[in-house]
Amino acid sequence: NAGVTQTPKFQVLKTGQSMTLQCAQDMNHEYMSWYRQDPGMGLRLIHYSVGAGITDQGEVPNGYNVSRSTTEDFPLRLLSAAPSQTSVYFCASSYSQGAGGYTFGSGTRLTVV
Amino acid sequence: GENVEQHPSTLSVQEGDSAVIKCTYSDSASNYFPWYKQELGKGPQLIIDIRSNVGEKKDQRIAVTLNKTAKHFSLHITETQPEDSAVYFCAAFSGTGRRALTFGSGTRLQVQP
Repeated sequence: NAGVTQTPKFQVLKTGQSMTLQCAQDMNHEYMSWYRQDPGMGLRLIHYSVGAGITDQGEVPNGYNVSRSTTEDFPLRLLSAAPSQTSVYFCASSYSQGAGGYTFGSGTRLTVV
Repeated sequence: GENVEQHPSTLSVQEGDSAVIKCTYSDSASNYFPWYKQELGKGPQLIIDIRSNVGEKKDQRIAVTLNKTAKHFSLHITETQPEDSAVYFCAAFSGTGRRALTFGSGTRLQVQP
């Protein structure tokens, strides 16, 4: 049972490049979300999904796109990377939005130069 | 939307002492309050949670208390050990508006042997 798997673990991008951060879970969780973690600011919600085909914006959605074509996968796309998007990104899943705790992946450390 | 404030940002205790981390939330509709522990280079891991219909919950050396009237909740760790050293995050889930966890800014706990 792998839980929540994020790839890659580390990535360096040049300003303006695009990329996709992958997230997959094998727990049949309906709810999935993306957070970014910056020093002193905790975890801020980027986008979330309550099930396949349903996504919504979080607190800091600008510059990011998501889609949810299957229950298992929830990729995060950076459209045109900016230095302000340098951060650690975490994907999380739960069987319900608020009925239980989230299971987090191990994170992707992204640097935009 | 929900706003969660967490204090202190850093906490240093001697091994065997108790540690207390406090959080306040703004949305009176919030009804679920988890605590996460994050070790270096890893994703946050749920350690304990409490729902709004309960005032206190214990799990071995850790406990969480909730005061709905004052809108604050606290994490208590007794008989601290060096392996308790980590960053701890509180969070609150609101059933209204953006239905997602809002996190505090984190507390770095250092247990001195």
